[in-house]
Amino acid sequence: DGGITQSPKYLFRKEGQNVTLSCEQNLNHDAMYWYRQDPGQGLRLIYYSQIVNDFQKGDIAEGYSVSREKKESFPLTVTSAQKNPTAFYLCASGRTPLNTEAFFGQGTRLTVV
Amino acid sequence: GESVGLHLPTLSVQEGDNSIINCAYSNSASDYFIWYKQESGKGPQFIIDIRSNMDKRQGQRVTVLLNKTVKHLSLQIAATQPGDSAVYFCAEIPRGSTLGRLYFGRGTQLTVWP
Repeated sequence: DGGITQSPKYLFRKEGQNVTLSCEQNLNHDAMYWYRQDPGQGLRLIYYSQIVNDFQKGDIAEGYSVSREKKESFPLTVTSAQKNPTAFYLCASGRTPLNTEAFFGQGTRLTVV
Repeated sequence: GESVGLHLPTLSVQEGDNSIINCAYSNSASDYFIWYKQESGKGPQFIIDIRSNMDKRQGQRVTVLLNKTVKHLSLQIAATQPGDSAVYFCAEIPRGSTLGRLYFGRGTQLTVWP
């Protein structure tokens, strides 16, 4: 089955540590996105990528980094510079140039302990 | 920046009734408006979209209405079922965007009771 897979589902991080969230898709989509969701809030865009080896900052990129070495993969690293990393992280993919129907993964819930 | 917002954060309806979820937007320069459904602990799922040159679009049990005069978007769900309980987000794509990035509103929690 085609889809988008995020792992792990739950992640605990100690303060000062970097952690990497995995996102893989087999939908052959060019575009991939990372969103952050806080309780009672909408989704805010962290980073997005339209093509391999290229990505752009979204609205809240500070403290995060990404890479896009393969079309299928778009990992997100939450660095120690991110002051409030506890949140629900969602990865999505979609066709370009128009992408009204983004396909989301099941999300990773990150908690700082 | 984000310009999509919602009138009400919560909505409770009885099973079998019709639901109407509203969304106000301030950016009139958007090409598409979209509705997503997010069940608890899961990622959002696409429901339906509407292009800015349309007023109405129908899907299976859902209808989206776009009123550009008052910058208002609504999602109507017919014969609401317990499985419709979720958070519903409206989103938009700015006109001319080739990046396909979505701007989301805060969401409305729909609860369906028997």
